[in-house]
Amino acid sequence: GNSVTQMEGPVTLSEEAFLTINCTYTATGYPSLFWYVQYPGEGLQLLLKATKADDKGSNKGFEATYRKETTSFHLEKGSVQVSDSAVYFCALSGASGTYKYIFGTGTRLKVLA
Amino acid sequence: DVKVTQSSRYLVKRTGEKVFLECVQDMDHENMFWYRQDPGLGLRLIYFSYDVKMKEKGDIPEGYSVSREKKERFSLILESASTNQTSMYLCASSLLSGTYEQYFGPGTRLTVT
Repeated sequence: GNSVTQMEGPVTLSEEAFLTINCTYTATGYPSLFWYVQYPGEGLQLLLKATKADDKGSNKGFEATYRKETTSFHLEKGSVQVSDSAVYFCALSGASGTYKYIFGTGTRLKVLA
Repeated sequence: DVKVTQSSRYLVKRTGEKVFLECVQDMDHENMFWYRQDPGLGLRLIYFSYDVKMKEKGDIPEGYSVSREKKERFSLILESASTNQTSMYLCASSLLSGTYEQYFGPGTRLTVT
């Protein structure tokens, strides 16, 4: 079936460190891929998305590239800030045979000043 | 600015009570979703609606029902609340195609005592 696997957290980094959060997926067809962010006490917000292979989504310094050959969509940021502390969710939609959006379990990021 | 609103941010109910959670979106989206979010489990889909009066069960529909009488409003009903339904409930909406992102409300933290 369709699924999303992302790295376990929590991830703790110092300010200005490089961030990678790994996400791999299993899906039939041609899904769209998303990263969402959830700040404390809030709902999820879309961070970036990619709708086809080799697309790069980017927003607020974050980037992720849709890699069909490795079925991955890793999230990266060159220099994290304290304000990036949040939970990050990888997700897919539009896979064959389902209307559902499939979410990973989330990765908590804590950035220390 | 697009918006999904939920009727309550925090709710405390007693075991056996009937509970209504309401969600309203102002984006004229066809799809609406109810999820629950629990630590370590990520987001789990309870119910989904793709049109007025249409609904589909998600992964964990037991103990819940839904109502969609108007396009902009999607209600989640706990017929007889139990302590294992204590959770964060998130509503989301999206356009019909799976290539589009979901927009989330701020969530309702429900405690059943």
